[in-house]
Amino acid sequence: DQQVKQNSPSLSVQEGRISILNCDYTNSMFDYFLWYKKYPAEGPTFLISISSIKDKNEDGRFTVFLNKSAKHLSLHIVPSQPGDSAVYFCAASAFNTDKLIFGTGTRLQVFP
Amino acid sequence: DAGVIQSPRHEVTEMGQEVTLRCKPISGHDYLFWYRQTMMRGLELLIYFNNNVPIDDSGMPEDRFSAKMPNASFSTLKIQPSEPRDSAVYFCASSFMLQGGEQYFGPGTRLTVT
Repeated sequence: DQQVKQNSPSLSVQEGRISILNCDYTNSMFDYFLWYKKYPAEGPTFLISISSIKDKNEDGRFTVFLNKSAKHLSLHIVPSQPGDSAVYFCAASAFNTDKLIFGTGTRLQVFP
Repeated sequence: DAGVIQSPRHEVTEMGQEVTLRCKPISGHDYLFWYRQTMMRGLELLIYFNNNVPIDDSGMPEDRFSAKMPNASFSTLKIQPSEPRDSAVYFCASSFMLQGGEQYFGPGTRLTVT
């Protein structure tokens, strides 16, 4: 049972356009959410996070939106650049645990 | 700091052999995590340690898997005996925060069991 789901295994976007990556979760105890980015042959690296007390967090070209009622979060990248091509993992944790639960990832390809 | 260090980067072994993966966390980090990445299940948490003590090993798939952390700067993940379905990329990560803190990942070990 996947508690964190990324239903789109891949996404292709033209350079300069917006990339929107989606993530759904089932555990209502989750209160902290993160996005990690992974290049081939490297480990995932932290990108951006959001606490459940917020509905939006922005960092440069990256914005994460949280819709608690829908148990849905999304990552927006504007404008997309070829260097953004990577696998993006959504992750979540609950207040009473140290664990991060990861989704299966979405492969983003940004083409010129 | 050099970041999280994992060795070997690649391991190819035959079914039935013992495999040992190694990890050196970032100095000062109290938490160490072992993950396995597969296409079907993404990043799965296998086990994690806090101050060298295993806290949650509920993700360890079978008794063939074991992990140790003899000191704050070293951990091993052992598979004995290995099977072809164990083929995956294994990541080690460390962090210093409690709930939800950023985890720093190593480059991973790609394991192939033939």
